[in-house]
Amino acid sequence: AQSVTQLDSQVPVFEEAPVELRCNYSSSVSVYLFWYVQYPNQGLQLLLKYLSGSTLVESINGFEAEFNKSQTSFHLRKPSVHISDTAEYFCAVSPRVSGGYNKLIFGAGTRLAVHP
Amino acid sequence: ETGVTQTPRHLVMGMTNKKSLKCEQHLGHNAMYWYKQSAKKPLELMFVYNFKEQTENNSVPSRFSPECPNSSHLFLHLHTLQPEDSALYLCASSPTGMVLAGPWTQYFGPGTRLTVL
Repeated sequence: AQSVTQLDSQVPVFEEAPVELRCNYSSSVSVYLFWYVQYPNQGLQLLLKYLSGSTLVESINGFEAEFNKSQTSFHLRKPSVHISDTAEYFCAVSPRVSGGYNKLIFGAGTRLAVHP
Repeated sequence: ETGVTQTPRHLVMGMTNKKSLKCEQHLGHNAMYWYKQSAKKPLELMFVYNFKEQTENNSVPSRFSPECPNSSHLFLHLHTLQPEDSALYLCASSPTGMVLAGPWTQYFGPGTRLTVL
């Protein structure tokens, strides 16, 4: 079985400051790792994912996340946030099973509030 | 219209009512999912349909009854709900089948905000 823990339920930060959203997971099997973002009144959108290879993955809007196998973590970072980054961020894992669909296990979410 | 759509966006119902949530995807996907999103809790996967066949039911109470008549449509029929069932219900879809480069991405609808009085 898998579980995901997001250590902060809310993270307030000022515009142009750096931010880190923390995510730890536990799993008895190898997993893929994801970050999803949910803007107000919208569904979840995939932000970035780690499948294999380089442990540092980047999104098109400046976020990055680093997979740390020894610490079972996949923290999300951005060096300078904008007001438009205000949203809820969800970390998720998916077991590396073969075939079929993608079964996601989510954390409880972290609400990022960017203030001017 | 493109992507994943859900109707209605908001629903208020009494505990004795019967209502249905609808999800439609225009992406040509063959897997569809229902999730429950409650405040301060992780998203809970409720049901998965793969090529119209139910492949996951995560111990969901029988007062929630899913239906998948074809790969583009997914319904969640509701009856005799409880106040604790109030939540945001999200639908998602994805391609399916063997893939060597990693898992298929799920695409989410905007959700139906359900309030049970």
